[in-house]
Amino acid sequence: RKEVEQDPGPFNVPEGATVAFNCTYSNSASQSFFWYRQDCRKEPKLLMSVYSSGNEDGRFTAQLNRASQYISLLIRDSKLSDSATYLCVVNMGSGNTPLVFGKGTRLSVIA
Amino acid sequence: DTEVTQTPKHLVMGMTNKKSLKCEQHMGHRAMYWYKQKAKKPPELMFVYSYEKLSINESVPSRFSPECPNSSLLNLHLHALQPEDSALYLCASSPDLWDRNNEQYFGPGTRLTVT
Repeated sequence: RKEVEQDPGPFNVPEGATVAFNCTYSNSASQSFFWYRQDCRKEPKLLMSVYSSGNEDGRFTAQLNRASQYISLLIRDSKLSDSATYLCVVNMGSGNTPLVFGKGTRLSVIA
Repeated sequence: DTEVTQTPKHLVMGMTNKKSLKCEQHMGHRAMYWYKQKAKKPPELMFVYSYEKLSINESVPSRFSPECPNSSLLNLHLHALQPEDSALYLCASSPDLWDRNNEQYFGPGTRLTVT
């Protein structure tokens, strides 16, 4: 099982739709979790940190399910500007590489 | 201020050239990172400095040489690169390498082309 797995997509959704991405992780000792957004040819930007069961920021909600070892990102009322690649990043907390990146999920919001 | 700056933005170099990439942050972060990113792939970790000491080297070829002159600066020295080294090179920083709340902030990257 890969350390951090994401559905690569693409997810093509109309404006106003609600879309959710999941990310699974293999290390049950993982301590914290992050969602980054990356636009084409730009750097990743921190979208949300997930330290406990989850948190919400405007249209974005991140949830953590430790029992099933996944985190999710829910985007409500999608905007065209939400089109990007969403990277799931897991802090393994130990070992050689503390932060492990998923391969990203591509979202396209269509007018 | 969560800004990480990188210079240059773009770099074209021949296989026999020597060049350096520079990264700077003033957030008081004690961990700094170099990543390499190819198109349609996630960032791939190269090096990590923690408190100005090299903590992680992900088996990167010796033609890439990192340097951390002080807690705010990180350099990547390039020598005798290959065309396959062409990529976006990202610098990042975080408060502390092994801290649970280890949010990383990325610079805009240097787009490198090796001819």
